This record gives sequence, structure tokens and C-alpha cells, in this order.
Amino acid sequence: ETGVTQSPTHLIKTRGQQVTLRCSSQSGHNTVSWYQQALGQGPQFIFQYYREEENGRGNFPPRFSGLQFPNYSSELNVNALELDDSALYLCASSPRSSYNEQFFGPGTRLTVL
Amino acid sequence: GDSVTQMEGPVTLSEEAFLTINCTYTATGYPSLFWYVQYPGEGLQLLLKATKADDKGSNKGFEATYRKETTSFHLEKGSVQVSDSAVYFCALSANYGGSQGNLIFGKGTKLSVKP
Repeated sequence: ETGVTQSPTHLIKTRGQQVTLRCSSQSGHNTVSWYQQALGQGPQFIFQYYREEENGRGNFPPRFSGLQFPNYSSELNVNALELDDSALYLCASSPRSSYNEQFFGPGTRLTVL
Repeated sequence: GDSVTQMEGPVTLSEEAFLTINCTYTATGYPSLFWYVQYPGEGLQLLLKATKADDKGSNKGFEATYRKETTSFHLEKGSVQVSDSAVYFCALSANYGGSQGNLIFGKGTKLSVKP
């Protein structure tokens, strides 16, 4: 059984640029959630996708957006990058039958210069 | 709003010592509670969970009991190993409305176990 995978592993961008992060959910999981983890902090919920629609959102501005595809994979897009967007971005998938049991990928480390 | 507070680290123990990491929560209703572990350079792994009051979650020698009266979910292990060195996160998931599936995490507690 393949777990949650994310790409790329690391990414360096400059302020004002746009970035797209990708996530493949675990086999059999149809719900994907994204989290931002700043250095030394716990993860913060960005949003969740179910059946290709946003199904809950945390306290993040609209420049954070996402997509979910028919195969349940997902993208996180961040526009107009700011220095404070530097963080580890974690994707988690879960089966709808147990939506709060989430399985995390290894994350994408984004550095904004 | 809902929140999780866990003891600040770092915590340094000798191998075979007893471990307790305190976690308390504030939530509306009856949340599900979790402990996740993050090893260096990796994502989070679910360690254990409890979904209702008085439930005890356990895994790999770790235990935590859902105490509604004290709004706590303390993590314990009787004898830690060097391989337990990691960052431990307490988390909750509200079981109502649009907050379902939204995990709220504490800030994490770094554990170092010395041989």
C-alpha cells in the first residue's frame, strides 16, 4: 500500500512569486487536507478537499488555494509569496469513513527569499 | 476557539526512564484526541487516538487516556528507548459542523533519549 507522497521535497522561491505543491493521497483515501508547519511550531490547518471541492478552511488568506483531482490527488497553490510563507507544507489523506484519522506525507519545505 | 496546550520541551531522559508529556485541550462538545510523532526530516505519524471520554489509546508502549473532567490527554510510556527520540504533537479534531476533519495541534514537545 502506497502512502501519501508529496513533491517537490524542497523548493526555494522569491517574494512575490507563485508556487504549486503536489500531493498524492494514500490508496483508498478520498479526502485530502493541507497544513502549514512553521519552524518549531505545530501544523496549522489550511484547507481540506473532498470530492474535488473545498470542505473546510482555516485562517489563511485567499492567495492560498487548492485543487483536488478525480484520482484524489491534490495541489496547493500560493500566490504572491511572502517571507512568512516559508514553512514545511504537509498533506494528509483520510478515508471519508474516518475523516479525522489523517495520514501525513513527508512534506515540502518551502523557503521564500 | 478550540485549542491544545502541551508541555514545552525539550525533554531529555535516560534510556528506560518513564515518560509523561502533558496535554490539555479546550473544545466545544466532544472532540477526538490524538498523539502524532514526527521523526527528524519526516512527516507526522499517528501514534494513538481516543474518540470518547475514558477511552485509552495505546501503541508501541505509549498510552494516553481521554479525561473529560480534566480536559487532558497525557502521553505516557513506561520505559523509553533511544529510538523514541522525536517531536510529539497532541491534537484534537472537533466532531461538529464545518470543523470536522480539521486537526488542531499543540506546539510539540521534543523528546531526546540518551543511552
